[in-house]
Amino acid sequence: KQEVTQIPAALSVPEGENLVLNCSFTDSAIYNLQWFRQDPGKGLTSLLLIQSSQREQTSGRLNASLDKSSGRSTLYIAASQPGDSATYLCAVPLTTDSWGKLQFGAGTQVVVTP
Amino acid sequence: DARVTQTPRHKVTEMGQEVTMRCQPILGHNTVFWYRQTMMQGLELLAYFRNRAPLDDSGMPKDRFSAEMPDATLATLKIQPSEPRDSAVYFCASRQGMNTEAFFGQGTRLTVV
Repeated sequence: KQEVTQIPAALSVPEGENLVLNCSFTDSAIYNLQWFRQDPGKGLTSLLLIQSSQREQTSGRLNASLDKSSGRSTLYIAASQPGDSATYLCAVPLTTDSWGKLQFGAGTQVVVTP
Repeated sequence: DARVTQTPRHKVTEMGQEVTMRCQPILGHNTVFWYRQTMMQGLELLAYFRNRAPLDDSGMPKDRFSAEMPDATLATLKIQPSEPRDSAVYFCASRQGMNTEAFFGQGTRLTVV
């Protein structure tokens, strides 16, 4: 059974510092990995989708890397801002699951202090 | 601006009452998920549809929960009878194909008293 782990569970950084968020998964048979952001009381907003054949995907200040063989993905957020404060979740659909159900990590809660 | 729309956004109901939550997936998306989010359990998959056919609802308590897609623009999740332990945020998500981004709605916050 796929296990998705996000460490740390919470992170606090001063504004301007780079954020590094980790996601690990136990089964490397994945189609892709998706990073989401969730603000309190809101839905999940898709940030990046990185395909299993890719090593990296970038969008603005966000960069996601994927190392399938070691079961790891890292989300980097450059020059953090207070508006980046949110919970960040990663999710993987399994290739061994015919339906590609999304398996989520528990999330990393980020606070960026001014 | 394509988005997944969920109604109602908030629902407070008494134990034993029927609750129906609705979701309009993004036009053209053939896959719909229902998730439940609680502080204790995080995000749990309840049901999963592809091309309106239910593929997996093993995460759903069958005695009280039911999920349907009467047409391609509407997915429903029904709880009857509701219980206090059903209090949670229920999310709908949709995507087009296995290898594409999933998009989530804003959720229905359900409180059963």
